Amino acid sequence: AQRVTQPEKLLSVFKGAPVELKCNYSYSGSPELFWYVQYSRQRLQLLLRHISRESIKGFTADLNKGETSFHLKKPFAQEEDSAMYYCALNRKLIWGLGTSLAVNP
Amino acid sequence: NAGVTQTPKFQVLKTGQSMTLQCAQDMNHEYMSWYRQDPGMGLRLIHYSVGAGITDQGEVPNGYNVSRSTTEDFPLRLLSAAPSQTSVYFCASSYSGIGNEQFFGPGTRLTVL
Repeated sequence: AQRVTQPEKLLSVFKGAPVELKCNYSYSGSPELFWYVQYSRQRLQLLLRHISRESIKGFTADLNKGETSFHLKKPFAQEEDSAMYYCALNRKLIWGLGTSLAVNP
Repeated sequence: NAGVTQTPKFQVLKTGQSMTLQCAQDMNHEYMSWYRQDPGMGLRLIHYSVGAGITDQGEVPNGYNVSRSTTEDFPLRLLSAAPSQTSVYFCASSYSGIGNEQFFGPGTRLTVL
């Protein structure tokens, strides 16, 4: 079965601290993985996808097939990073439950 | 471009009523989908479409119908509303192919009394 697990409901860090939002997946085939973000009063939008191997707003995520993980990382969190972050799997977007990131001044 | 639009933004229904949630996109995307978002459940796929005239069920299709007569529009019909259908509904669209970004609408908040 396809499944995405985001173990932290809430992650609170101070500005300038490193942040890592965890995502683990279960899928027997070759996965497509995404991170979507929802800022307050805004639409869900794509942040990263593993196929692009890009860095967006300082965030990176590496697909680790051995550990079946796609953790989202940023070395220095900013207050504007406060948002809800969702990890999603494949075209039909099997979603994790999301992690609310709060970056405190 | 307007992107993905949804109407209405809010709706209150009584149990047993029917209604249609509208979704439209102006990006010529082949793929469109409907999700519902519930507290503690995340987003779940209701129905999706890979092109005009082609639809398929997602994870939670019961109680909902869809059709895709044009590339632009993908309405979601609630046949006989139930309180369990109280949720926030999101429509999304994307190009076909691996790894393509899905663009989301602003959502419709539905309450069924």
